[in-house]
Amino acid sequence: DQQVKQNSPSLSVQEGRISILNCDYTNSMFDYFLWYKKYPAEGPTFLISISSIKDKNEDGRFTVFLNKSAKHLSLHIVPSQPGDSAVYFCAASATGNQFYFGTGTSLTVIP
Amino acid sequence: GAVVSQHPSRVICKSGTSVKIECRSLDFQATTMFWYRQFPKQSLMLMATSNEGSKATYEQGVEKDKFLINHASLTLSTLTVTSAHPEDSSFYICSARDPGSFTDTQYFGPGTRLTVL
Repeated sequence: DQQVKQNSPSLSVQEGRISILNCDYTNSMFDYFLWYKKYPAEGPTFLISISSIKDKNEDGRFTVFLNKSAKHLSLHIVPSQPGDSAVYFCAASATGNQFYFGTGTSLTVIP
Repeated sequence: GAVVSQHPSRVICKSGTSVKIECRSLDFQATTMFWYRQFPKQSLMLMATSNEGSKATYEQGVEKDKFLINHASLTLSTLTVTSAHPEDSSFYICSARDPGSFTDTQYFGPGTRLTVL
C-alpha cells in the first residue's frame, strides 16, 4: 500500500514560471515531510523539509506547503530554471522512523 | 553540512558472487541507518533499518539471508548482497539519521549502482 503518492509522473514548465509539484499521504501519524531532487544515476539531494507544526516553509526559490487536514503537501519552485529539471520525490515519516517515498515527479523546465 | 558516503559508487559483478556496499556518516554518529533500493522509474523502497550494535530490521519481502546488513560502528553500515543475480541489479541508497540535528534529519548517500551480469 502506497502511503505517499505523487499522482503526476511528469510535469513540463516554461523557464521563469512557477512549478508546482503535489504529494498526498494517507498516514495521519506522519509529522515530518521532505522533498528530494534526484538526477539520473545519483542519490537524492535534500531540498526542503517541513514539520507538521507548520503549514509553510520557504527556502529561496523553494516553498513547501502542508495541508494536514487534506493530507497534502506541495512544492513550489519560483522562478523555475532549466537546472531544476530532475525527478522530485516527496517523503514522509513519523519522527524517528523510516521515510516513505512517493514515486516521483519528473520535472522538465523548458528554456 | 552532514555528509554520508557510499562505496563503491558503481559495481559490476558476475552472477553468483557477493558484493559489499559501505555506507559511512562522515561527521556525525548515526545510531540508525536505512537501506533503500530503487528500481527503474519507481520509488525508493526501504529494505531494512540498521541499528548500531543490534540486528537489522528487515521489511516484509526482503530476504535477510540474501541482503546481509552489519552496523558495527556508529559511522559505518554495510550491505552485502550475497549470491547476486541479475534481478538484484538496482540502485542501492543508504541514509543515516543524525540524532543530534534539531529536526532529526536523515542524510542520504550518493547511491551505489549494482549491475549483475
